[in-house]
Amino acid sequence: DADVTQTPRNRITKTGKRIMLECSQTKGHDRMYWYRQDPGLGLRLIYYSFDVKDINKGEISDGYSVSRQAQAKFSLSLESAIPNQTALYFCATSDRGGTDTQYFGPGTRLTVL
Amino acid sequence: GENVEQHPSTLSVQEGDSAVIKCTYSDSASNYFPWYKQELGKGPQLIIDIRSNVGEKKDQRIAVTLNKTAKHFSLHITETQPEDSAVYFCAASIGSARQLTFGSGTQLTVLP
Repeated sequence: DADVTQTPRNRITKTGKRIMLECSQTKGHDRMYWYRQDPGLGLRLIYYSFDVKDINKGEISDGYSVSRQAQAKFSLSLESAIPNQTALYFCATSDRGGTDTQYFGPGTRLTVL
Repeated sequence: GENVEQHPSTLSVQEGDSAVIKCTYSDSASNYFPWYKQELGKGPQLIIDIRSNVGEKKDQRIAVTLNKTAKHFSLHITETQPEDSAVYFCAASIGSARQLTFGSGTQLTVLP
């Protein structure tokens, strides 16, 4: 089984809809991240969390919110989706006491019509 | 904040040749530089990283070099194979927070 899982893998939604992307990990890591990938722009950090009670904004947090429900779960929400939020979204984890390596999930492809 | 530029955006090489991807960073405080490989339909996976106290690191056919004075670092892949075809991302981060700033990616194609 994959160590970092994301659901759904693909989602098509309409402008104005609320949508939640979920990430779960079995690696026991305390740090979790949400990134957005757009063609030609690489990956950009949306939010990150170093433990259940710690949430931090990344480079592009506007229009997004997150929830760290447990050490193993980190959700990303789009309260009112807009077309320019169409992108590939990745969750990642890392271990505070480890090697700084970030382990990525398989991604969620989101299309906002 | 940190800015990472990556070149080239696309690179095609013949199987067995070497491939070099270059990145520059803007913040001299950056001290951790990982490289990720992303295969089609998958998430990025770390292939090698280097810290600012080291000038070069090698792992089999992959090597990374770092020039702190010039603020650039490079990925070198020797004896390329078709399975090396993927998108490669460089990244940089400062301090213990490990907030990675990624380059824009390089699509490497190894031609048989």
